[in-house]
Amino acid sequence: DAGVTQSPTHLIKTRGQQVTLRCSPKSGHDTVSWYQQALGQGPQFIFQYYEEEERQRGNFPDRFSGHQFPNYSSELNVNALLLGDSALYLCASSLGGSTGELFFGEGSRLTVL
Amino acid sequence: SQQGEEDPQALSIQEGENATMNCSYKTSINNLQWYRQNSGRGLVHLILIRSNEREKHSGRLRVTLDTSKKSSSLLITASRAADTASYFCATDAINSGYALNFGKGTSLLVTP
Repeated sequence: DAGVTQSPTHLIKTRGQQVTLRCSPKSGHDTVSWYQQALGQGPQFIFQYYEEEERQRGNFPDRFSGHQFPNYSSELNVNALLLGDSALYLCASSLGGSTGELFFGEGSRLTVL
Repeated sequence: SQQGEEDPQALSIQEGENATMNCSYKTSINNLQWYRQNSGRGLVHLILIRSNEREKHSGRLRVTLDTSKKSSSLLITASRAADTASYFCATDAINSGYALNFGKGTSLLVTP
């Protein structure tokens, strides 16, 4: 039973560039949430996707956007990268969007130079 | 914003000792969860306690919840070196929709 998989694991970008991160949820899960974790901090909620729609959004600018595909996989896009976007981006999957247990991937570590 | 605040920020103990971490939060919740994270990798769910529960056990883990004080504690008994990790509490706050609010975490070091 495959867990949550994320790609890439590490990437380096420069300011102003754009990045796309990918996530495949745990088998049987239909909901994907994205979190940003800065160094030394706890994860911060970016948004959640369910039935291919953004169901809820956290306090992040419009430079952060996402998508969910019919197979429930998801992408996180960040435009016009800033130094402050450097962080670990975590994808979490769940069933039906409940706020019970979340299953996290290993994350994508983004460094913006 | 992060609703949960863990205490202490860092904890160092020896194998076999018990480790206690505390979490305080600000608003009413549906449930509170504890997660573990090894070296900046993915988070692993440990335990969930609902707002109408006061105590829950899972293996060597014991979680308590005091909604009147808006606080929770995680006790790890008979700690092992493999328990070395960061531990986060996450609240499912009423009116926060589907977002979990994480604290900054407690960094636990268990030495042999």
